[in-house]
Parts: sequence; C-alpha cells; structure tokens
Amino acid sequence: KQEVTQIPAALSVPEGENLVLNCSFTDSAIYNLQWFRQDPGKGLTSLLLIQSSQREQTSGRLNASLDKSSGRSTLYIAASQPGDSATYLCALGGSQGNLIFGKGTKLSVKP
Amino acid sequence: NAGVTQTPKFQVLKTGQSMTLQCAQDMNHNSMYWYRQDPGMGLRLIYYSASEGTTDKGEVPNGYNVSRLNKREFSLRLESAAPSQTSVYFCASSEQGIEQFFGPGTRLTVL
Repeated sequence: KQEVTQIPAALSVPEGENLVLNCSFTDSAIYNLQWFRQDPGKGLTSLLLIQSSQREQTSGRLNASLDKSSGRSTLYIAASQPGDSATYLCALGGSQGNLIFGKGTKLSVKP
Repeated sequence: NAGVTQTPKFQVLKTGQSMTLQCAQDMNHNSMYWYRQDPGMGLRLIYYSASEGTTDKGEVPNGYNVSRLNKREFSLRLESAAPSQTSVYFCASSEQGIEQFFGPGTRLTVL
C-alpha cells in the first residue's frame, strides 16, 4: 500500500528565506505527483503537477522535483513571503487518477 | 468558468439523518472524486467515478453512496449519518492522469 510522508509537519521561517519541503513515498509505481496549497478553512489549490516521466516542474518562485528511484519529491520555494504561509500537501496519482495524500507541512513565513 | 462547485458549504445533522452533498464541474472532465479530510488523517478517498456511468470505492467508502448523475455532476449521500462522519468533504475532477482540481469543501458536523 502506498504511503506518503511529509517532513517536517510544521516549519517557521523569516521572510526572504529559501526553503525546501519534503515528500517521500513507498511505491515508485506512480503516474504523477501533485503539490497543493491549502489555506485555513479553504479548499486545495494546485501548485505543480509532475508526470512520472518528468524530473521537475517550475512555476514562478516554486520548483518541484521528482526522484522515483529514491521515492522522494521536494518543493523548493524561493524568496519566501508572508503570503506563502499555508499548508502544503503532496499527493501521488494512482492508475485510476485517484490521489494519495501526505498529511502536509504547515508553513509560516514571518515578516 | 466556476471550476468545481459544492453545495452546501456547511451542514449540521443529527445522528441518523440523511443528506446528499452535491458537486458539479464545468471543465468537461471525465473523472470525479470525493475525499474527506480529518485532522491528523489527511485527505482520504471515499468514492470516485472514472467516467460517466461508472463508480468505484476508495479507501473509506463505508456509510456512503454516490451517484454520477451525468458528466458534470457527482453526488455523495449519507443514508444514516454518524458522528464519525463529521469531516470536511471535498469534491474534485480531472482528466485521468492530469491535474486534479478541487472544490471549496463542505463542512459537515453530525451531532
């Protein structure tokens, strides 16, 4: 059974710092990996999608990487801002398109 | 485009009552999903519909039924609500293997 782990569970950084969020998974037979952002009391906003054949994707200050052989993905956030404060979720796509989620990393960026 | 919409936004039920959560998408996606989100458990798949006319169980289907009414709409029904079904429910849609989009969620409390 696929298991997804996100470490750390919570992270607090000063504004302007570059940071890395980690996601690890136990089964490398994945179709894709998606990173989401969730603000308190809100739904999920898709940030980046990496297909299983890809190694990384970039959008603005965000860069996500995928290493299936080691069962790891990272989300790199450059020059963090207070507006980046949210919970970040990693999810692995299965053969039916369903997603298996990690429990998230709660990020707080201090002004 | 509205994306994925869910109704109602909030609901309080008494144990044993029934209700239907509604979901609609306007992106012409074939696949739709229902997840629940609980503190400490992350998001878990309840049911999904890979295409119009098909539905399948996810990780936590007990106590729920679903209907794929047409390509746009996918409803989730609680026949006899229990306190363990207190949760936030999210509907999502996608094309298989492609980015998944989420609705704003329904916050359900069962007393």
